[in-house]
Formats: sequence, C-alpha cells, structure tokens
Amino acid sequence: AQTVTQSQPEMSVQEAETVTLSCTYDTSESNYYLFWYKQPPSRQMILVIRQEAYKQQNATENRFSVNFQKAAKSFSLKISDSQLGDTAMYFCAFTYNNNDMRFGAGTRLTVKP
Amino acid sequence: DAGVTQSPTHLIKTRGQHVTLRCSPISGHKSVSWYQQVLGQGPQFIFQYYEKEERGRGNFPDRFSARQFPNYSSELNVNALLLGDSALYLCASSLGRENVGNTIYFGEGSWLTVV
Repeated sequence: AQTVTQSQPEMSVQEAETVTLSCTYDTSESNYYLFWYKQPPSRQMILVIRQEAYKQQNATENRFSVNFQKAAKSFSLKISDSQLGDTAMYFCAFTYNNNDMRFGAGTRLTVKP
Repeated sequence: DAGVTQSPTHLIKTRGQHVTLRCSPISGHKSVSWYQQVLGQGPQFIFQYYEKEERGRGNFPDRFSARQFPNYSSELNVNALLLGDSALYLCASSLGRENVGNTIYFGEGSWLTVV
C-alpha cells in the first residue's frame, strides 16, 4: 500500500526563521514522484516543490528545499526566511503512476510576526 | 493561460439529492482527476480520466461517477447524497497519463454542503 504520513499536525515559526516539515512514505515502487503542496485559506492547492525519486540531488525552489532520503523513505521540506504569506496547510504527496496522488494529513504552519 | 476552473464554487444540497460538479482542465491537458477533501484531512483520490476513459478509481461507492468530454472537461456526479459527502471537491489536470510525474495542477474546488 502507498501511504504518506505527516507526523506534525501543527507548527509555528517566527518570521525570517527556518522551519522543517516532516514527511515519510511507504511504497514498494522503485520509481515515483514526491511533492509538497501548500493550501492557504483560499483552499487552492499550490505546488511548492517536486522531487523525482531517481534523482539523488535534493530539489530546491528559492526559499524552499527538500531533504530526500530514499532509503529511509523520508521527504522533509525546509522553508528558509519564513514569510507571513507562508502561513498555510502543507501537504506531502506521492504518486508513481499518475493514476492517483496520495496525500498526507497535512501540517498547519503558522508564521508569526 | 487559465488554470483549472471548477463550478460551482459553493453549493448546498439536501440528503438524498444528486449533484453535478464541473471542471475544465488547463489548455492542452488531457488528464483530469477528482479528489475529495473532508475538512481537516488531505485530499482523497476519487477518479482519474484520460482521453475520455476512466483510468483509475479510488475507494468510493458507486454513488460517485464521472465522465470526461471530447474537449477534456469533466463532470463529477454524486447520487443519493449523504451528510458525509460534505467536503471540498478538487479537480486536477495534468498533461497525460503517460507523463508520469508531471505536475498536477489543482482548481480552487467546489464546496459541497449536504444538510
């Protein structure tokens, strides 16, 4: 079974500081894709970053980077220089066939001024 | 370019009624997926359609059905509504089923409340 686990229901960080959100997954597939999506109060899911499992190099998008540990099936998201606009629900997601994407339960991140 | 568009944005239905939700994918995208997001949870996969055919189905009852039209837009139908069907229904599009790992883009969703 393909499952995604986010063990931190809520987190907070001071503006301009760094925060790391955790995600683990379970799969028997060798090639797959991992994503972090942000869902602000407007409810639209916005792609933050994606990682291809066959690439060892960790993905980076501006202030967002991941720590992908394939053997440990871990995919954490680091947000540097946190901004108030980063306040949102963050979902870790996984797919191997594009038929469906499996999401974790989400982490509610609050950036405090 | 327009993103994924969904309609209606909000609706209220009574138990036992039927609902139809609509989705237009990003231009050029041939794959459409539907997800149900209950408050406080992550989205759950319902269906994927590609080239007008169902390519994947999640663990949802037969009350849920969908179809994709020649222009790649899609409808999600839910019959005999239950209170537990109250959720945000998200539509997502991507280039195509063969492009595994292509980014899936989501619409803003349709809020369904069943009373």
